[in-house]
Amino acid sequence: EVQLVESGGGLVQPGTSRRLSCAASGFMFGDYAMHWVRQAPGKGLEWVSVISWNSDSINYAASVKGRFTTSRDNAKNTLYLEMNSLGVEDTAFYYCAKSDQPLQYFDIWGQGTLVVVSS
Amino acid sequence: AIQLTQSPSSLSASVGDRVTITCRASQVIGSSLAWFQQKPGKAPKLLIYDASTLESGVPSRFSGSGSGTDFTLTISSLQPEDLGTYYCQQFTRYPHTFGQGTRLDIK
Repeated sequence: EVQLVESGGGLVQPGTSRRLSCAASGFMFGDYAMHWVRQAPGKGLEWVSVISWNSDSINYAASVKGRFTTSRDNAKNTLYLEMNSLGVEDTAFYYCAKSDQPLQYFDIWGQGTLVVVSS
Repeated sequence: AIQLTQSPSSLSASVGDRVTITCRASQVIGSSLAWFQQKPGKAPKLLIYDASTLESGVPSRFSGSGSGTDFTLTISSLQPEDLGTYYCQQFTRYPHTFGQGTRLDIK
């Protein structure tokens, strides 16, 4: 079964850092682009970043550029999102999703992990 | 960034009704549009890609059409399990963007 499972969410203080992980199974992880998409509670979807299959191409939304870093370890079938300088506006469910190419639709999504930024 | 505007923002319909949701892009995006369904407390699920291609396993009552800037998602005969929020997404250029969502309730 194709599956993506996020972890690492929780309550964090403003200005601190957090790393999210996304474990993939059931498909050749190293063949696909991977994305992070977030959703503030009760709000719409916001794309965060994408990383190509070989990490050669990484793109970010303007709202996180310079603060968030996306990486992947194909040997471990895992995607990461390192989030720094977190603010209350970063409170959201964070989903990982896969696509065939970086500029492509997302065909599989994880269940999400909630990050709450609050003092 | 390319803006996607969905209409309506919400609607309520009865089982068996034909439901149409539209998505308008601020720039031409060809057929680089997908539709997702999100049920409460769940992750989004891909319904339609490339504007009109039905994802495997998605019921045939769902269909998509359009190209350029104007797109439509149609549910031919609404079922109780179709309640949720529907989003369009463009993937022609960065940043990927989503419509604001259309909340669908069952009367």
